Amino acid sequence: QAVVTQEPSLIVSPGGTVILTCGFSTGTVTSGHYPYWFQQHPGQAPKTLIYDTTHRHSSTPARFSGSLLGGKAALTLSGAQPEDEAEYYCLVLYAGVPTFGGGTKLTVL
Amino acid sequence: QVHLQESGPGLVKPSQTLSLTCTVSGDSISGSNNFWSWVRQPAGQGLEWIGRIHTSGTTNYNPSLKSRVTVSLDTSNNQFSLKLTSVTAADTAVYFCTKDPPGYWGQGTPVTVSS
Repeated sequence: QAVVTQEPSLIVSPGGTVILTCGFSTGTVTSGHYPYWFQQHPGQAPKTLIYDTTHRHSSTPARFSGSLLGGKAALTLSGAQPEDEAEYYCLVLYAGVPTFGGGTKLTVL
Repeated sequence: QVHLQESGPGLVKPSQTLSLTCTVSGDSISGSNNFWSWVRQPAGQGLEWIGRIHTSGTTNYNPSLKSRVTVSLDTSNNQFSLKLTSVTAADTAVYFCTKDPPGYWGQGTPVTVSS
């Protein structure tokens, strides 16, 4: 079974831009894998940021955007805010089975 | 606004069956082209996808749990449920229910497997 890969940790400066990626250990992520992105703060339930590659959830701030980049799904945060410090997970459909990545700890510093 | 709420026992004995219900408000589980899913998260760890059911009744399960998992719809009560059989301590986690797309989540319910 393919492993879904994410950067374990990233640091972004306040107001800065950062790109989180989500890939397969073997193969390319496409729109047909319907990538989702979630944000989770400690002790809280995850919140959906992006679904089906590029679609923002109704509650997602405009500074978050989803895309495909270099064979991976990508989440771009433009203009990072202190409240964006959190764990970020992707979810992709592989062989009909949704599979989470291991998560990226994003620090705003 | 769609709201999901998990409910069920917080403590289950080893080898028994874990049963959880997700009550949906603000949407009909039988009236839209959506997936109703279960996800879990052990303390301090990442998210694990468990399984889902489509409004048509089609189910998909995590291969690692497939032999023990059943997800079903209760359209009369606008709920869907999770059953996980033969539980062990490794099944201790916070369990979430979700609606996809676009991805609404319940607040989660903690379940401990212990005698």
